[in-house]
Amino acid sequence: AQKVTQAQTEISVVEKEDVTLDCVYETRDTTYYLFWYKQPPSGELVFLIRRNSFDEQNEISGRYSWNFQKSTSSFNFTITASQVVDSAVYFCALRATQGGSEKLVFGKGTKLTVNP
Amino acid sequence: KAGVTQTPRYLIKTRGQQVTLSCSPISGHRSVSWYQQTPGQGLQFLFEYFSETQRNKGNFPGRFSGRQFSNSRSEMNVSTLELGDSALYLCASSLRSGLPLYEQYFGPGTRLTVT
Repeated sequence: AQKVTQAQTEISVVEKEDVTLDCVYETRDTTYYLFWYKQPPSGELVFLIRRNSFDEQNEISGRYSWNFQKSTSSFNFTITASQVVDSAVYFCALRATQGGSEKLVFGKGTKLTVNP
Repeated sequence: KAGVTQTPRYLIKTRGQQVTLSCSPISGHRSVSWYQQTPGQGLQFLFEYFSETQRNKGNFPGRFSGRQFSNSRSEMNVSTLELGDSALYLCASSLRSGLPLYEQYFGPGTRLTVT
């Protein structure tokens, strides 16, 4: 079965703290893609990053960084020096094949609140 | 470049009615996917259309259907509405379907309330 687990339902931090959002996935596909999306209160999902299963290099983009580890089936997301504007729900997703169909399977999301 | 647009943004219907939601993808994008977001089930994939053909399908009953037009605009229809269909319906577009994988850009969604 294809599954994405985001164990942290809600996280609350104070501005400038670092925060890591966990994502664990399950898939039998040998080729798959992992994503992170941000959903601010406005509701529109914003694409953050895509990673394919063959590329285990960690990536850094400004204050955002991602740690992909196939050995533990994890794709964690770290925000350094968090800001109030980072407050949103963050979704981890897996592009997988299920029942002959390709689809994006989402985790339940982690609601991040950054307090001033 | 205009983003993905969805109409209407809000909709209230009663049980048993049907509803049609519309999605206009980013110019040049030919793949359109639909998702349902509810507090209980989270984000779930409905279906994906590419070049007017349904390419992929999620696990939803036949009451949920869609289509895509030659200009890549897509519509989603839900017949015989149930209270549980109340949700935010999100549309996403990408350049094409399949591999190599292009990222999806999401619209603001249509908030459907069934009473």
